Amino acid sequence: QSALTQPPSASGSPGQSVTISCTGTSSDVGGYNYVSWYQQHPGKAPKLMIYEVSKRPSGVPDRFSGSKSGNTASLTVSGLQAEDEADYYCSSYAGSYKVFGGGTKLTVL
Amino acid sequence: QVQLQESGPGLVKPSQTLSLTCTVSGGSISSGDYYWSWIRQPPGKGLEWIGYIYYSGSTYYNPSLKSRVTISVDTSKNQFSLKLSSVTAADTAVYYCARDYVPGGHFDYWGQGTLVTVSS
Repeated sequence: QSALTQPPSASGSPGQSVTISCTGTSSDVGGYNYVSWYQQHPGKAPKLMIYEVSKRPSGVPDRFSGSKSGNTASLTVSGLQAEDEADYYCSSYAGSYKVFGGGTKLTVL
Repeated sequence: QVQLQESGPGLVKPSQTLSLTCTVSGGSISSGDYYWSWIRQPPGKGLEWIGYIYYSGSTYYNPSLKSRVTISVDTSKNQFSLKLSSVTAADTAVYYCARDYVPGGHFDYWGQGTLVTVSS
């Protein structure tokens, strides 16, 4: 069971869009529509932002969207705001197991 | 509003067993809609799923930790617990408990996390 692959960093200016990728295998990301994304600010617990690839929990701005193609899932943040600066983690169901990505630090320039 | 709260010692000696409890309020741990998970995060590093338990007692563990992990549930107290044996400094981390939606799972509620340091 290997961790999902995310870029260590991503950045964008306020108002821009940024996309973070999450690459797995056919045993996890590619095999199930159970990819979720979490936002984590320093010293805080992670917060669910996207579940089941593209669904947003109540209260999450529609600037956050998710998608999947093959073994790679993506999180897109549109209209970047200062408060979006945080670490982002993807997670996938892997057949009774769960696996996380290594995390991506999003910087708002 | 569902809330989860971790509790347990913040310092554990090497080779000993780490023990943590998660108390759930605002919802029943016996709901069949959820698993109850433990996740950890070493300082400055990413998240690692440890394992989860269903209210019936069924468990699933991360294969890399399986030989050292035990997760149990006490439905009468609305709590679930983690034991990690033979700890080393590599087990130093913030430990989170989280609610995990069945079947495929997303962690929709998290505890605030508790730092456990392994040191003599």
